[in-house]
Amino acid sequence: EVQLVQSGAEVKKPGESLKISCKGSGYSFTSYWIGWVRQMPGKGLEWMGIIYPGDSDTRYSPSFQGQVTISADKSISTAYLQWSSLKASDTAMYYCARHYTRYYYYMDVWGKGTTVTVSS
Amino acid sequence: EIVLTQSPGTLSLSPGERATLSCRASQSVSSSYLAWYQQKPGQAPRLLIYGASSRATGIPDRFSGSGSGTDFTLTISRLEPEDFAVYYCQQYGSSQLTFGGGTKVEIK
Repeated sequence: EVQLVQSGAEVKKPGESLKISCKGSGYSFTSYWIGWVRQMPGKGLEWMGIIYPGDSDTRYSPSFQGQVTISADKSISTAYLQWSSLKASDTAMYYCARHYTRYYYYMDVWGKGTTVTVSS
Repeated sequence: EIVLTQSPGTLSLSPGERATLSCRASQSVSSSYLAWYQQKPGQAPRLLIYGASSRATGIPDRFSGSGSGTDFTLTISRLEPEDFAVYYCQQYGSSQLTFGGGTKVEIK
């Protein structure tokens, strides 16, 4: 079964750092882009960026460039999303999703999400 | 950046009725790069339609997508109780992906 398993919920204070993970299984992890999507409480979906684990090529949405870092360790089929200094406005649900990009472009496999709460 | 505008914001319908959801792009979008997702409360989004009109694996045929250029439509022919949810369109272009703001389909 193709699946993405995300790390558990996090509660952090403003200014702290954080790295959440997304582990792929059931498919060739290095052959598909993996991306991250933010959903703030009660709001819609926002695409943050993607990484190709095969060569670590990374693209960011302009809205998130410089705010987060996307990385991957292909040896353990895991993608990461990290912050160096969290803000209260980073409070949200974060989903990872496999991107299908051959002729079409869509996200066909999603993780269940990681809730990040930033509060003093 | 291509902006996707979904309308209406909320659609109040009864089970068995037909739902028509609109997604309008600020500039032309490749049909190959237009997708629709369904999201229920507390769940991750689920892919419904890709390539503007192709159903994803396991999606019932009451869901259909159409459109081209700047205007796309998701139609649910007869609403089932499990279809009441929020629906998002998505496009990819110029190395950027954007979502529409979503349409909530609620029980009337």
